[in-house]
Amino acid sequence: GESVGLHLPTLSVQEGDNSIINCAYSNSASDYFIWYKQESGKGPQFIIDIRSNMDKRQGQRVTVLLNKTVKHLSLQIAATQPGDSAVYFCAENKGYSTLTFGKGTMLLVSP
Amino acid sequence: DSGVTQTPKHLITATGQRVTLRCSPRSGDLSVYWYQQSLDQGLQFLIQYYNGEERAKGNILERFSAQQFPDLHSELNLSSLELGDSALYFCASSGDRNTGELFFGEGSRLTVL
Repeated sequence: GESVGLHLPTLSVQEGDNSIINCAYSNSASDYFIWYKQESGKGPQFIIDIRSNMDKRQGQRVTVLLNKTVKHLSLQIAATQPGDSAVYFCAENKGYSTLTFGKGTMLLVSP
Repeated sequence: DSGVTQTPKHLITATGQRVTLRCSPRSGDLSVYWYQQSLDQGLQFLIQYYNGEERAKGNILERFSAQQFPDLHSELNLSSLELGDSALYFCASSGDRNTGELFFGEGSRLTVL
């Protein structure tokens, strides 16, 4: 079936480094791909989305890259801070914002 | 604060019982979504309502049902509970952009003993 998955379950970085979180997807028909952040004890929080006809989108300290050729999505976080420590999920929009989530990558930022 | 409110935050019950989880969406949002998060299955979409009507269905068991009321709050009913139903249940709401930007509540943690 369709799935969205992540390559790395845990990523440890030093404060100030750039972080890259990767995701593979299998459903090419999705119109939007999205990244969410989930802190311990909280619900997922929207970070950024990218439409399927784009290959790059930038936000505040974050960049999402979409490579449709290899069905790969990545989230880049610049100057990672301790407050960025969380689990990051990629997701694809299957229509009406019903999302299929990947399994998540935990980002650990050391001071 | 996402603006989405879920109650209760924690719930402990026994197998075979029935529980109701409640969700109030962000002001103005017509869409409400329910997701289940467990260690083995991750975040799974259950069901979506839009302005009182069911719009999309995901991996929702027949023992589970939901509804959205005229004031747009929603309830998720879980019956004949099994140990495997223990999970975090999230409600989310969205506006009409349909880009996948959802606003999640803090979840209801259900423990079935």
